[in-house]
Amino acid sequence: NFMLTQPHSVSESPGKTVTISCTRSSGSIASNYVQWYQQRPGSAPTTVIYEDNQRPSGVPDRFSGSIDSSSNSASLTISGLKTEDEADYYCQSYDSSNPVVFGGGTKLTVL
Amino acid sequence: QVQLVESGGGVVQPGRSLRLSCAASGFTFSSYGMHWVRQAPGKGLEWVAVIWYDGSNKYYADSVKGRFTISRDNSKNTLYLQMNSLRAEDTAVYYCARDCGNGVCPHIWGQGTMVTVSS
Repeated sequence: NFMLTQPHSVSESPGKTVTISCTRSSGSIASNYVQWYQQRPGSAPTTVIYEDNQRPSGVPDRFSGSIDSSSNSASLTISGLKTEDEADYYCQSYDSSNPVVFGGGTKLTVL
Repeated sequence: QVQLVESGGGVVQPGRSLRLSCAASGFTFSSYGMHWVRQAPGKGLEWVAVIWYDGSNKYYADSVKGRFTISRDNSKNTLYLQMNSLRAEDTAVYYCARDCGNGVCPHIWGQGTMVTVSS
């Protein structure tokens, strides 16, 4: 089984850019798509990125996803931070033995 | 628009059973795989199970294998989770989610239903 490791928390100021990493412990990050979910306090998760870098309709283009094979990690970048972006963010991927694996989540604070 | 509404949560004693339902609307239910994902109080997301669009394949997390059963009724646009031999560590909000299309990514989520296992 592989794991996805995220930083526990990140913080940044409104208007700035923040990047949240998601490192895969074994197997290539590029071999299986990565998804990202936003979960605001008291609410259900919503998808902000799927298939590494695709945005669902309604998600602003301030949200972007990428893959870095050299560090075996995925990243979620949020530019032009707004207070409404304050939430928990989870990455997710899979392999042939593990249908769905979530990262531990990152709490984003917009100061 | 796509809507998923979970029901059936509540307080149950350890060792007892509970069945959750998820009513789907706004999309062709029989064309998509469906997931159950749970979140214990103050914790992260934990995948529970997935069922293929036609019910032909089902996969479970090790933590629930042999105790939980995922099923669906495509004629009723409804997903189920039968939970047996419940334990205190099964206490969580349970979300149903429509798959993204390839069976390996929850994509559209319901609002969740709370299950509390306590004596």
